[in-house]
Amino acid sequence: DTAVSQTPKYLVTQMGNDKSIKCEQNLGHDTMYWYKQDSKKFLKIMFSYNNKELIINETVPNRFSPKSPDKAHLNLHINSLELGDSAVYFCASSQGRTGTDTQYFGPGTRLTVL
Amino acid sequence: AQSVAQPEDQVNVAEGNPLTVKCTYSVSGNPYLFWYVQYPNRGLQFLLKYITGDNLVKGSYGFEAEFNKSQTSFHLKKPSALVSDSALYFCAVRDAGTDKLIFGTGTRLQVFP
Repeated sequence: DTAVSQTPKYLVTQMGNDKSIKCEQNLGHDTMYWYKQDSKKFLKIMFSYNNKELIINETVPNRFSPKSPDKAHLNLHINSLELGDSAVYFCASSQGRTGTDTQYFGPGTRLTVL
Repeated sequence: AQSVAQPEDQVNVAEGNPLTVKCTYSVSGNPYLFWYVQYPNRGLQFLLKYITGDNLVKGSYGFEAEFNKSQTSFHLKKPSALVSDSALYFCAVRDAGTDKLIFGTGTRLQVFP
């Protein structure tokens, strides 16, 4: 059973398009995250939700909008895609909302903007 | 600001030999430290974490890490490396002010047969 799943696994699109990435966790966790991993493998948090409430909102362009319909799902919508948005986006979840809770990661979505 | 450093971009080791992947940290307050592994085209997998207690933390796949407060280090170790251990390893520290995880830049471990 997949604990944290993401769709799609690969996403290739043109500049200016709007796209969404979906994440689901079946671990019963209360907190979910979006991370961005760039081409140099540097990993940085973007957003975090706890029980559908936004608790971490990093300085990212407002073209990126997360949405959590329920605590098992966290989606990421990106408007007006740019070349620099090309990266691997990881979803993660944890039981609690503190940084001491272990985070479990999904397989990633590789976004390529042409 | 909290930070974590992985001084080696790559570590090469022969199969069967012990391996060490280095990590040093800088935090205010108690450190909460993590190791994750990323296999090619995969997500990060949790290996182990230090919250409090014994300085030697045992984790998944035979890995362990030694917390050293005086040296502000949390090196990852394994007594006998396997070719299948070849992957990208990330150290992370909790930022006490924001509760975010701050990741290091990663160390690529290459185990040669």
